[in-house]
Amino acid sequence: GENVEQHPSTLSVQEGDSAVIKCTYSDSASNYFPWYKQELGKRPQLIIDIRSNVGEKKDQRIAVTLNKTAKHFSLHITETQPEDSAVYFCAASKGSSASKIIFGSGTRLSIRP
Amino acid sequence: GAGVSQSPSNKVTEKGKDVELRCDPISGHTALYWYRQSLGQGLEFLIYFQGNSAPDKSGLPSDRFSAERTGGSVSTLTIQRTQQEDSAVYLCASSAQVAGAGGETQYFGPGTRLLVL
Repeated sequence: GENVEQHPSTLSVQEGDSAVIKCTYSDSASNYFPWYKQELGKRPQLIIDIRSNVGEKKDQRIAVTLNKTAKHFSLHITETQPEDSAVYFCAASKGSSASKIIFGSGTRLSIRP
Repeated sequence: GAGVSQSPSNKVTEKGKDVELRCDPISGHTALYWYRQSLGQGLEFLIYFQGNSAPDKSGLPSDRFSAERTGGSVSTLTIQRTQQEDSAVYLCASSAQVAGAGGETQYFGPGTRLLVL
């Protein structure tokens, strides 16, 4: 079955610097890759997603890149701010088919003032 | 519209008692997931429903755990003979499971915080 590995497990960056979180997946049939953000004490929420027919997607300070050949995808946060501190989860799925979404183990991002 | 709701929001129980957790997904969402999250940890997959059927129960930790979904809507997660290690936040999520236009987005409920004394 599908397996999603996420690194690093914790990440601390200076405010204003960039943060990068990486994930790899095992099932080449996966075609949908979302990223969720979970702030302390709150529920996970989708922040950005990418499908296998594109290599990069941006939304303001957040971008996601996908390398289908290598089966890995990454989240990039630029000009980090204190409110970016949270746990980030990557995930992979086969889209609309009746197969479940698989989450990575999460990355705890801390932004140093 | 209304999001995913879960009840109760908090549950304190004694070891050995049974508990029932409820999830009301977004109307029309065919996929429903249960996860367990211990303090500071990741999302531990428990069970996945597509409609009323559960194609994947592989995450249920033991036979003390069971879940059902009726009418393609509400789901209940039951934990029998609770143990202290069952203490965690139990999260429910639903999605339309339809490609495109955000159809795969998982919407999480607020969770039920379970404490077994």
